[in-house]
Amino acid sequence: DTAVSQTPKYLVTQMGNDKSIKCEQNLGHDTMYWYKQDSKKFLKIMFSYNNKELIINETVPNRFSPKSPDKAHLNLHINSLELGDSAVYFCASSGGAGINQPQHFGDGTRLSIL
Amino acid sequence: SQELEQSPQSLIVQEGKNLTINCTSSKTLYGLYWYKQKYGEGLIFLMMLQKGGEEKSHEKITAKLDEKKQQSSLHITASQPSHAGIYLCGADRETSNTGKLIFGQGTTLQVKP
Repeated sequence: DTAVSQTPKYLVTQMGNDKSIKCEQNLGHDTMYWYKQDSKKFLKIMFSYNNKELIINETVPNRFSPKSPDKAHLNLHINSLELGDSAVYFCASSGGAGINQPQHFGDGTRLSIL
Repeated sequence: SQELEQSPQSLIVQEGKNLTINCTSSKTLYGLYWYKQKYGEGLIFLMMLQKGGEEKSHEKITAKLDEKKQQSSLHITASQPSHAGIYLCGADRETSNTGKLIFGQGTTLQVKP
């Protein structure tokens, strides 16, 4: 029944490793997003995809590479993890990329870098 | 400075009391969304406001968007422990088709039984 699901929920790894986070939505939405929430709970958009095409890339380091195999999935791969990457990463989806389209969020992936 | 300012940053109220959270922008908002986040969970969509002067209610939560579309308030009547969490406002700041939302820094609400 989960509308937007992310895996894993927790990710603990060492600096320098490469990791991936997966996201799937079963809402039939066209647009998907990745957000980063820092320790102060500030939520900031990283990427958005509309029908598998990248439409927002918010000056995120190129160590972060999103991939959308189909419009129901948007995965996030992170290379050479750094301490500053520790955060909660949220996936979201919406019916479209225009205004007045509520975004629905997953439960987040808590990434901790040792 | 934040593009969307929420106030207060945190709030502790006694169960049964009313409370208001504000979200202010220096620029026109094209769409305003309220979300609630519980610890360890994702954001739950509460309401969307589009038009100046619009007001929406869901159970004991009411949200308004002012006429100039630069400020929104979220009001909870007769608060309960289940209302505790972090409330975030998000806004469309552009009319382009990017889906880009700007979020406030959140308001943490505790409700004491």
